[in-house]
Amino acid sequence: DVKVTQSSRYLVKRTGEKVFLECVQDMDHENMFWYRQDPGLGLRLIYFSYDVKMKEKGDIPEGYSVSREKKERFSLILESASTNQTSMYLCASSLPATRTQYFGPGTRLTVL
Amino acid sequence: TQLLEQSPQFLSIQEGENLTVYCNSSSVFSSLQWYRQEPGEGPVLLVTVVTGGEVKKLKRLTFQFGDARKDSSLHITAAQPGDTGLYLCAGEGNNDMRFGAGTRLTVKP
Repeated sequence: DVKVTQSSRYLVKRTGEKVFLECVQDMDHENMFWYRQDPGLGLRLIYFSYDVKMKEKGDIPEGYSVSREKKERFSLILESASTNQTSMYLCASSLPATRTQYFGPGTRLTVL
Repeated sequence: TQLLEQSPQFLSIQEGENLTVYCNSSSVFSSLQWYRQEPGEGPVLLVTVVTGGEVKKLKRLTFQFGDARKDSSLHITAAQPGDTGLYLCAGEGNNDMRFGAGTRLTVKP
């Protein structure tokens, strides 16, 4: 079974803090993705990566950065958290040229 | 931007009822996926449809891909409380996947 784990299920941070969200997958997948999920808006792609040290902007990269130093780990960084970044953050992974994405359980981030 | 519209946004029914939820777009997709997301969890893939007009069945769930590959439907027969969740459709476009906002289904015992 593919397993995608995320470092925290719930996180509360203050405005201006630097926030790290970690994602690890155990199936040797090349592709990894970060989404945020907001009611009525669905999943919106923040960043994705097709390989180690590679990253591509998604639809809403502003205010975020990512790091992929190892194949199994994809980190999402909020350089200076703001209240409008309060959301559910979902990480996913997939094999190249496949449609199926495997999702982690999500991190519900609240920025006060 | 390929926009996927899902309807209805919310649906609450009694156990044993049938239901259909829809996923519509003005864009053509090379494939379309349906996921179910339970509270506190990430989405889990239910099915992928690829061919226009394709129908796939997964126990009590029937998925259909429109002939023009712009829309899809999910029909559940004799819904059970275990079917409760958020149903998301996702369309594969130009090297990306686009997700709808989902239909939140509640099946009451």
